[in-house]
Amino acid sequence: AQKVTQAQTEISVVEKEDVTLDCVYETRDTTYYLFWYKQPPSGELVFLIRRNSFDEQNEISGRYSWNFQKSTSSFNFTITASQVVDSAVYFCALSFYGQNFVFGPGTRLSVLP
Amino acid sequence: ETGVTQTPRHLVMGMTNKKSLKCEQHLGHNAMYWYKQSAKKPLELMFVYNFKEQTENNSVPSRFSPECPNSSHLFLHLHTLQPEDSALYLCASKEAGNTGELFFGEGSRLTVL
Repeated sequence: AQKVTQAQTEISVVEKEDVTLDCVYETRDTTYYLFWYKQPPSGELVFLIRRNSFDEQNEISGRYSWNFQKSTSSFNFTITASQVVDSAVYFCALSFYGQNFVFGPGTRLSVLP
Repeated sequence: ETGVTQTPRHLVMGMTNKKSLKCEQHLGHNAMYWYKQSAKKPLELMFVYNFKEQTENNSVPSRFSPECPNSSHLFLHLHTLQPEDSALYLCASKEAGNTGELFFGEGSRLTVL
């Protein structure tokens, strides 16, 4: 069965701190895709990144970086020098066959000024 | 026009009312999804449509009735709902058959009294 776990329900940090959001997934498929989404208070889930199971290169985009490790089935997300605008709920998701998506329960990040 | 538009953004209805949620996507996608997001619960997939055909019904009660008249529009018809149906209903779209990400609307916040 496919499953995504985000063990951190809520995290609070002070502005400019670095923060890492954990994501652990389970799947028996050898081909799959991992995603991170951000949900600000407006409600819309905003796509951040997509990674396929054959590409374990870490990625950096501005203050965001992602660490994909197949050996531990983890796809962690780090925000460097956090800002108040980063406050949101962050979801990790797993997709297979291009149609079915399994979402984790989300981590609520609060960045305090 | 934003990518995925949902109306109304907020809806309050009694248990005997009949109402509909509307989703429209301007991205040229041909797969559309309804998700339910309740407090303290993971995102729940409700329905999937590919090329206007329903391909997934995730054991959703019959008081929720989806309709997909064309690839750009998706409706969720609501009748005789229960208070526990109060939630944020999110619409999403993507290219059917490929492994890309979902694009979400801002959601319709439903309160059932």
